[in-house]
Amino acid sequence: NAGVMQNPRHLVRRRGQEARLRCSPMKGHSHVYWYRQLPEEGLKFMVYLQKENIIDESGMPKERFSAEFPKEGPSILRIQQVVRGDSAAYFCASSLFLGRESEAFFGQGTRLTVV
Amino acid sequence: QKEVEQDPGPLSVPEGAIVSLNCTYSNSAFQYFMWYRQYSRKGPELLMYTYSSGNKEDGRFTAQVDKSSKYISLFIRDSQPSDSATYLCAMSAWGAQKLVFGQGTRLTINP
Repeated sequence: NAGVMQNPRHLVRRRGQEARLRCSPMKGHSHVYWYRQLPEEGLKFMVYLQKENIIDESGMPKERFSAEFPKEGPSILRIQQVVRGDSAAYFCASSLFLGRESEAFFGQGTRLTVV
Repeated sequence: QKEVEQDPGPLSVPEGAIVSLNCTYSNSAFQYFMWYRQYSRKGPELLMYTYSSGNKEDGRFTAQVDKSSKYISLFIRDSQPSDSATYLCAMSAWGAQKLVFGQGTRLTINP
């Protein structure tokens, strides 16, 4: 049983480009969460999605960031017009049951570097 | 004031020592408390999960929660070099769909 799969593992973008981060949840999991980890800091919640629905996006920056979890395919975190401050590790987690976020399983992360 | 405070360390101890890691929090609504271990360049791995106050033991690991003091701890007995990692505390409120993490404590166990 494969765990949460994130790709790419490393992503380099120039300022102003777009970054697309992908997350395939564990088999059977329909709840996906995205977190961001800045250097030397803990993880910060960004967004919680179910299939075709954004449930809680209270941690998402108001501009340039969007997320989706389509009926088919992986969840996508999209960052438009990236800036240096977007450089961070982005982690995806998935869980099986509604409200069981505390038992979510994390992927290995995508490390975004903006140059 | 951050919702969850965790001493970032770094903390360095000899092999076999007992390690104590701690977090304090300010939100009295938190009811679920977790400890994650994160190796360098890897994703967080759930170590311990406790609900409300009390102790929970799993092998060499013991998690303690004191809700009256808003204080949680993780103890590692007979520490091993393989325990060297960053340890993150995390917590959530009932019905919340998100975890609030501490900054993480970087731990090194010296052979």
